[in-house]
Amino acid sequence: GNSVTQMEGPVTLSEEAFLTINCTYTATGYPSLFWYVQYPGEGLQLLLKATKADDKGSNKGFEATYRKETTSFHLEKGSVQVSDSAVYFCALSTAGGGNKLTFGTGTQLKVEL
Amino acid sequence: DVKVTQSSRYLVKRTGEKVFLECVQDMDHENMFWYRQDPGLGLRLIYFSYDVKMKEKGDIPEGYSVSREKKERFSLILESASTNQTSMYLCASSFSRGLYNSPLHFGNGTRLTVT
Repeated sequence: GNSVTQMEGPVTLSEEAFLTINCTYTATGYPSLFWYVQYPGEGLQLLLKATKADDKGSNKGFEATYRKETTSFHLEKGSVQVSDSAVYFCALSTAGGGNKLTFGTGTQLKVEL
Repeated sequence: DVKVTQSSRYLVKRTGEKVFLECVQDMDHENMFWYRQDPGLGLRLIYFSYDVKMKEKGDIPEGYSVSREKKERFSLILESASTNQTSMYLCASSFSRGLYNSPLHFGNGTRLTVT
């Protein structure tokens, strides 16, 4: 079956620090990969996605590259802000899966001044 | 922008009560989903639907049922609420089951407490 493994949090960083949140996956078939973000008190919203190997998804200064050889999709940002404090979820879907997503457990990010 | 609206933000119910969680989307999406979110477990799929009057079990359907009488509305039903169903419930929708990499759009969630 499909599964997603994320690094455990919380991750606490100072403003302007570099961020990496690790995500690895196993999938039956060729997955599409996603990062979702959940701000306090809200539902999840799509941050970025990549649909094939070596694709790079990017949005709001965040980036993630689809690495088929290492089955990874790590999230990075060069300089975090306090407003980036949220929970980040890695997820995948596969053809034949009917648009169901399999999520990781989420990583909480806290950014301090 | 797609809007997914969940009828209640917070609910407190007693053990054994029948509980209805309502979800409405306004973008004519075919797919609708119910997830529950628990610390350390992430999101787990309860039920989903690709069409009116159609439903399929997700990974943790026990103790739940769903109803989809209209395309825009997807209801989650707890037949007899139990304390282990205390959780955050998230509804989501997406365009079409044929577009497997189509993003999901989520509501803000309903935090249910069963006492």
